[in-house]
Parts: sequence; structure tokens; C-alpha cells
Amino acid sequence: KAGVTQTPRYLIKTRGQQVTLSCSPISGHRSVSWYQQTPGQGLQFLFEYFSETQRNKGNFPGRFSGRQFSNSRSEMNVSTLELGDSALYLCASSLLAGVDNEQFFGPGTRLTVL
Amino acid sequence: SQKIEQNSEALNIQEGKTATLTCNYTNYSPAYLQWYRQDPGRGPVFLLLIRENEKEKRKERLKVTFDTTLKQSLFHITASQPADSATYLCVAGNQFYFGTGTSLTVIP
Repeated sequence: KAGVTQTPRYLIKTRGQQVTLSCSPISGHRSVSWYQQTPGQGLQFLFEYFSETQRNKGNFPGRFSGRQFSNSRSEMNVSTLELGDSALYLCASSLLAGVDNEQFFGPGTRLTVL
Repeated sequence: SQKIEQNSEALNIQEGKTATLTCNYTNYSPAYLQWYRQDPGRGPVFLLLIRENEKEKRKERLKVTFDTTLKQSLFHITASQPADSATYLCVAGNQFYFGTGTSLTVIP
């Protein structure tokens, strides 16, 4: 069974631009969660989608948004990029919604904002 | 506000010893707690989940305890090996709060 895939793996953008990251969950998984990981803040929850609906949202500004498609694939978008948005963005899929389910993480997208 | 803390940023132990990592939470009462392992450049990998009505859970050389009175979980790796060197993260439901992780180095 293929694992969680994320594209692109690396991305360099400049301040003010926007970016879209993609996540394909494990086949059959309907829940996708997104996290931002930085050395100083650790792993911070962005949002969770289940069956195309956002179920939970972390404490991030509105510049961070996401969506999930009918095939469970998910995208997250960051508009008006800031230097502080440089981070590793991880997505995780699980069979069901909720944090009590085992989450399978992808390798992440390393975003650098210049 | 809800907070989750892991005991130290780094822990070095000798091969063969037992490594003990701590996860403390404040201002909420999670119904379950999970531990993940993360290697450099990779996403976290699930290890164990323990529920509030389970005092202890084991998987091979791993053992997790959950003390709802102390608001603490302990994660033990017995007979540690250099391959156990990684960052270990805890996450306590009901929200998606991860601790900042403890970097474990097992010295041969």
C-alpha cells in the first residue's frame, strides 16, 4: 500500500507570493490533517479535513487555508507569504477523523520564503 | 490554555540502558495520548496510543504509562540501541497538540 505523498518536496518562494501544497492520503483514508513544523515551535496543527469538510482548525491566521476533494486528496494554500512561514509542512492521513486515530505522515514539503 | 510539555530537548543514554521520556500536560484532561518517532527529514511515525483507563501499554521494547493524577505520560525504551536514536513526540487528544519532542541519542 502506498504511503502518504506530498508534492512538491521542496519549494522556494518570495515574500508576498502565495503557495499551494498537495497531499495524497493512503488509499481508503478519508481524514487528512496538516501541520507546520519549525525548530522553535515544533509541530503545530493547522487543520483537519474529513469527507471534504473541515472538522478542526488550529490557531493560524486566515492566510492559511485548505480543502479536500472527493477522492480525499487535500491541498493547503498560504497567501501573502511571510518570512516566518518558512517551515516543513506535513500532512497526515487516517482512516477516521479525530486525533485518537493513528496518523500516517507524509515526508513533508520544505517551504523556504525569501 | 492547554499545554503539553516534554521533559527535555535532548537525552543521551548508553546502549543497553532504559531511556525514559516524559510528557506533561496542563489545563485539560485528554482521553488518550500518543507517542510518535521522527527521524531527520522524515514525517513522524506512530508508535503507541494509550487511553485514560489504561495505566500501561507495551509493544516489544516500548512501554508507555499514563498517570491522570500527575497529568503525565512516561515513555520507556528498554535495552536501547543506537537505532533508537530519534526525536520522540507525544500528542494528547482531544486536540491536535504535539509536544516539541525529545531528541534521544543512544551511545554505542
